[in-house]
Amino acid sequence: DAGVIQSPRHEVTEMGQEVTLRCKPISGHDYLFWYRQTMMRGLELLIYFNNNVPIDDSGMPEDRFSAKMPNASFSTLKIQPSEPRDSAVYFCASSLVGVGTQYFGPGTRLLVL
Amino acid sequence: SQQGEEDPQALSIQEGENATMNCSYKTSINNLQWYRQNSGRGLVHLILIRSNEREKHSGRLRVTLDTSKKSSSLLITASRAADTASYFCATDVGGAQKLVFGQGTRLTINP
Repeated sequence: DAGVIQSPRHEVTEMGQEVTLRCKPISGHDYLFWYRQTMMRGLELLIYFNNNVPIDDSGMPEDRFSAKMPNASFSTLKIQPSEPRDSAVYFCASSLVGVGTQYFGPGTRLLVL
Repeated sequence: SQQGEEDPQALSIQEGENATMNCSYKTSINNLQWYRQNSGRGLVHLILIRSNEREKHSGRLRVTLDTSKKSSSLLITASRAADTASYFCATDVGGAQKLVFGQGTRLTINP
């Protein structure tokens, strides 16, 4: 298996623009997690899905953030409009069970100017 | 506040020495995991220890868990330059199917 795939790997955009991050989990994994990592706040869980259904989005910072999982092999995290404080590394991870081993993608490094 | 908190925040040792990192948590858990993150990369799972286990080994890694003290330690023996990375502990929280990660320990192995 190729592991968790994320795209793009790097994204530079201007404030106010829409940003879409993409994730392909490991085939057969029922859980998908979106995290954000910054120096100040560490690794934060934004939202997670079980069998394509959002279970807990309490970590989503505000309405500008939205996430979808239309099928078992694809998820998106969208920021609209983006702001400089959204600059961070965004990770997607998947697992067989929620509290089991999580497999992380390489991350998307987002810079909002 | 974080469920898991690592100590120390940063650790610098000479190659060949042993490195010990600690993690404390607040609520009861089903399992505790340790992950490694190399600079610019995603986290990689190292080891999982269940709440009914006290010690677990994997290669040069040794993890202990003390549920009475709500703490865990990760020992890396005979450290190598390639062990330079950040190390995170993660725990489940209140029966929810998710993990909460600590802030991490940044480990530097000097050649």
